[in-house]
This record gives sequence, C-alpha cells and structure tokens, in this order.
Amino acid sequence: NAGVTQTPKFQVLKTGQSMTLQCAQDMNHNSMYWYRQDPGMGLRLIYYSASEGTTDKGEVPNGYNVSRLNKREFSLRLESAAPSQTSVYFCAAIGDPPYEQYFGPGTRLTVT
Amino acid sequence: SQKIEQNSEALNIQEGKTATLTCNYTNYSPAYLQWYRQDPGRGPVFLLLIRENEKEKRKERLKVTFDTTLKQSLFHITASQPADSATYLCALGVGGSYIPTFGRGTSLIVHP
Repeated sequence: NAGVTQTPKFQVLKTGQSMTLQCAQDMNHNSMYWYRQDPGMGLRLIYYSASEGTTDKGEVPNGYNVSRLNKREFSLRLESAAPSQTSVYFCAAIGDPPYEQYFGPGTRLTVT
Repeated sequence: SQKIEQNSEALNIQEGKTATLTCNYTNYSPAYLQWYRQDPGRGPVFLLLIRENEKEKRKERLKVTFDTTLKQSLFHITASQPADSATYLCALGVGGSYIPTFGRGTSLIVHP
C-alpha cells in the first residue's frame, strides 16, 4: 500500500521546456489536488479534481494544466516552463470527511 | 481579506517541555481545522482534526484546542522529544468544502 506516489522526485528544466508531473494513489479516494510550496508562501492550491473526469482551478492555476486520467492518476503539465515555476510540487489525495489529505513525497522542480 | 497566521519564527524548546504552537485566523468561519506535520524534503502528514463545535481533541501526546471566539487554535505537544522537531501546519476548512486553506507553518526545534 504505497499511498500517494509522485514522479519524478527532481527535475531541472530550461525556460520554455514542457514536462508532466505524475501522481497516483492507491487509496481509492475521489478527490486529488496539486499544490506548490515556496519558501515563505506555504502550500498553494494549483488545481483540484473532485472526482474522475472533473477538474477545477485553485488559487494559482496560470501556466499549468491537469488531467484526471482515471480515479488513481492525476497529472500536472507545464507547457512552457518559466523560472517563476521553480518550486516543490505536492500531490494529495483526500479522504471522505474529515477530509484528511494524504500527500505524496513531492517533486522538486528547478527552471533555469 | 481572509488570513491564517502561524508564527514564522521557529519555536525552540527543551526536551521534556510542552510545545505550544498557535494558529490564528481572520475573516473565516471555519467548520474544521486540521494540523499537519512536515519534515524537511517530505510531504505533510495529517495529525489531528477539530471541528467548530469541539473545544479540545487529544491524540497520544498531542492536544488541539479550538476557540472560535478568539479565532485561534492551539496545538500542544507534551513531553516533547527531539524527534518532534518539524514544521507544523494548520489548515482551515469552511462548511461544505473539502478544500482547506493552509497556514505557512511554524518550525519546532526540540533540543536534547
């Protein structure tokens, strides 16, 4: 039972390159989220998916797209990476009330 | 505007003492409040949830209080240990929402 897994763990991109961050959960939860965490800014919600087939914008969606491929997988895509997207990205799966969030180990992304 | 405040300065305490961390909020009417622990290089881990109609919740050495009049939650770790050293995040959720908003976290350092 792995919980929430994320790949890759680390990535360095050049400005303008694209990439997809992968997230998978084996807890059978309906909701999944993508966050970014920056020093002094805390966790900020990028996109979320309340259920398979639905996605919605969070607090900071610009420059990102997401796909809820199935109940298990929720991917985050950067189409044209910018240095401002240098951050640590966390995926989370959310259980039924009381809505505790189960986080993955994170992806540390650097855009040069 | 809505705001969640956690002390940005690290809390340094001696092993065996009780650590108390604070989460203050403004312009929220939270239905629940969660506390998470985050170790360096890892994703947050859920610790406790307290609902608006609960004054106090305990789990082993952890205790959370919730005062909706003061708009404050206190998180206590009794008999603290160096292994308790981490960053602790609070997250507020409003009624009907499964998307809590996170504070920026407070670092706790327990000295042997």
